[in-house]
Amino acid sequence: AQTVTQSQPEMSVQEAETVTLSCTYDTSESDYYLFWYKQPPSRQMILVIRQEAYKQQNATENRFSVNFQKAAKSFSLKISDSQLGDAAMYFCAYGSEGGSRLTFGEGTQLTVNP
Amino acid sequence: GAVVSQHPSWVICKSGTSVKIECRSLDFQATTMFWYRQFPKQSLMLMATSNEGSKATYEQGVEKDKFLINHASLTLSTLTVTSAHPEDSSFYICSARRIGAIVNSPLHFGNGTRLTVT
Repeated sequence: AQTVTQSQPEMSVQEAETVTLSCTYDTSESDYYLFWYKQPPSRQMILVIRQEAYKQQNATENRFSVNFQKAAKSFSLKISDSQLGDAAMYFCAYGSEGGSRLTFGEGTQLTVNP
Repeated sequence: GAVVSQHPSWVICKSGTSVKIECRSLDFQATTMFWYRQFPKQSLMLMATSNEGSKATYEQGVEKDKFLINHASLTLSTLTVTSAHPEDSSFYICSARRIGAIVNSPLHFGNGTRLTVT
């Protein structure tokens, strides 16, 4: 079974600064996908960024980027130029079966201070 | 964009009664939908995979007789919590992937249903 660990229950960042959220996972599979989801107070799950395990290049989406270290089974999320709207719970997720079957980490509550 | 709707958004029921939650893909078809459960300040836990036209696949530790899943059409899956008890109070979320979507295409999540059992 796969496991996902987020060791930072809470993080805070000043507006316009950069913050990195950590995630590690454990798996014996060779083909998988990794995701970061954002869950604001509305509880709606919003996909932030995704990474295919077979790709060495780190994914980027505007202000969001990942540092994917496959050998270390690490998948951290960097948010640059943090905005107040980035405040939310962030979940790291492991996707098997084509990325459709998700295992989530415990989440990191991100606070953005003005 | 693809929309997944859950109904109701919130429900309060008395202990011992059953409650049905709907997960509907509004503008696409999905052969597979997923049901998650989220306790307050905790992560999402996959409960079961709902397959159109066949039996659902339940995760270890999830009682299939308590959480009945029916995927009667390509746009609708239902989760029925039978004989609900206060410990079943939780936030239930579904997700779906469009038929024919490429591998690793995004899952679309519903807006969730908050169940409170009194």
